[in-house]
Amino acid sequence: AQTVTQSQPEMSVQEAETVTLSCTYDTSESNYYLFWYKQPPSRQMILVIRQEAYKQQNATENRFSVNFQKAAKSFSLKISDSQLGDTAMYFCAFMKPTGTASKLTFGTGTRLQVTL
Amino acid sequence: KAGVTQTPRYLIKTRGQQVTLSCSPISGHRSVSWYQQTPGQGLQFLFEYFSETQRNKGNFPGRFSGRQFSNSRSEMNVSTLELGDSALYLCASSRGEETQYFGPGTRLLVL
Repeated sequence: AQTVTQSQPEMSVQEAETVTLSCTYDTSESNYYLFWYKQPPSRQMILVIRQEAYKQQNATENRFSVNFQKAAKSFSLKISDSQLGDTAMYFCAFMKPTGTASKLTFGTGTRLQVTL
Repeated sequence: KAGVTQTPRYLIKTRGQQVTLSCSPISGHRSVSWYQQTPGQGLQFLFEYFSETQRNKGNFPGRFSGRQFSNSRSEMNVSTLELGDSALYLCASSRGEETQYFGPGTRLLVL
């Protein structure tokens, strides 16, 4: 079974600064997807970024980028120019495409507080 | 394009009752997955439906069940509610094995 570990329960960053959230995972699969989701106080789970394991290039989405290290099974999220609206829980998630089913395995989350 | 919708948004029930939650996926999405989120257990996968068939199931008791209709809308049912069933229930839709997009969730409180 796959496991996802987020070792930072809480982090804080000042507005306009850069912060990196860590995620490691354990799998014997070679083909899979990795995601970062954001859950603000409204509790709506919002997709931040997605990475396909077969792609060596790190995914980027505006101020959000990832550092995907397949051999190390590491998938960190970098948020540049942090904004107050980035305050949320961030979840790292793993999906193994099986051809017959899809299921996300989540980490325990990192609570990010952006301060003035 | 409208996002995933879930109804009701909030629900209060008492132990022993049953409850039905509804999820309407994004138009064109045929897969609907359900997750339970609690402070103690985090986010846990309940089950997934694709084209009206359950094709994946998490480790939950048989009191938790679901179904999917021909228009891809899905319902999940919890019978004989227990206090521990209090949670945020999240529904997510996708085209198949791709990125899942989540609804706003249904908060269930069991008294």
